[in-house]
Amino acid sequence: DGGITQSPKYLFRKEGQNVTLSCEQNLNHDAMYWYRQDPGQGLRLIYYSQIVNDFQKGDIAEGYSVSREKKESFPLTVTSAQKNPTAFYLCASSPRLEPQHFGDGTRLSIL
Amino acid sequence: QKEVEQDPGPLSVPEGAIVSLNCTYSNSAFQYFMWYRQYSRKGPELLMYTYSSGNKEDGRFTAQVDKSSKYISLFIRDSQPSDSATYLCAMSVANAGKSTFGDGTTLTVKP
Repeated sequence: DGGITQSPKYLFRKEGQNVTLSCEQNLNHDAMYWYRQDPGQGLRLIYYSQIVNDFQKGDIAEGYSVSREKKESFPLTVTSAQKNPTAFYLCASSPRLEPQHFGDGTRLSIL
Repeated sequence: QKEVEQDPGPLSVPEGAIVSLNCTYSNSAFQYFMWYRQYSRKGPELLMYTYSSGNKEDGRFTAQVDKSSKYISLFIRDSQPSDSATYLCAMSVANAGKSTFGDGTTLTVKP
């Protein structure tokens, strides 16, 4: 089945630790996105990539980093510089000029 | 001021009611309009997608766009308990690739 797979479903981070969230898609979509969702709030764009080896900052990129070495993969690293990382992280992908489709998210918490 | 404002809710209706969910926007460059449904602890699921003013119908769902008033709506007829979820509107500029989301309206349909 085609889709977007995010892993792990739940993740815990210790103070000062970097963690990486995985996002893989087998839909052959060109563009991929990372969003953060806080309780009762909408989606805020962290980073997006419209082509392999290229990505752009979104509205809240500070404390996060990404890479796009393969079309199907767009991992997000939450660095220790992100002081309030507890949130629900959503990955999405889309063909060019088409709406985004989402994975089922990773919930990150601080220990 | 946010580019996209969504009626905050929460909204609670009896089964069988007609539901109206609404968003306004300020960026006249938005040309693509989407509605997503998000169940608890899941990623958003694309419900409706339109790029023109007027109505688009899909089963019990109707999306309405009024570009002159910068206003979009989603109507749900014969609402069911399974429609209980958070509904997010989203909009994008042509060729931009990324979307701007509303904060969501949480709907509960009571049997």
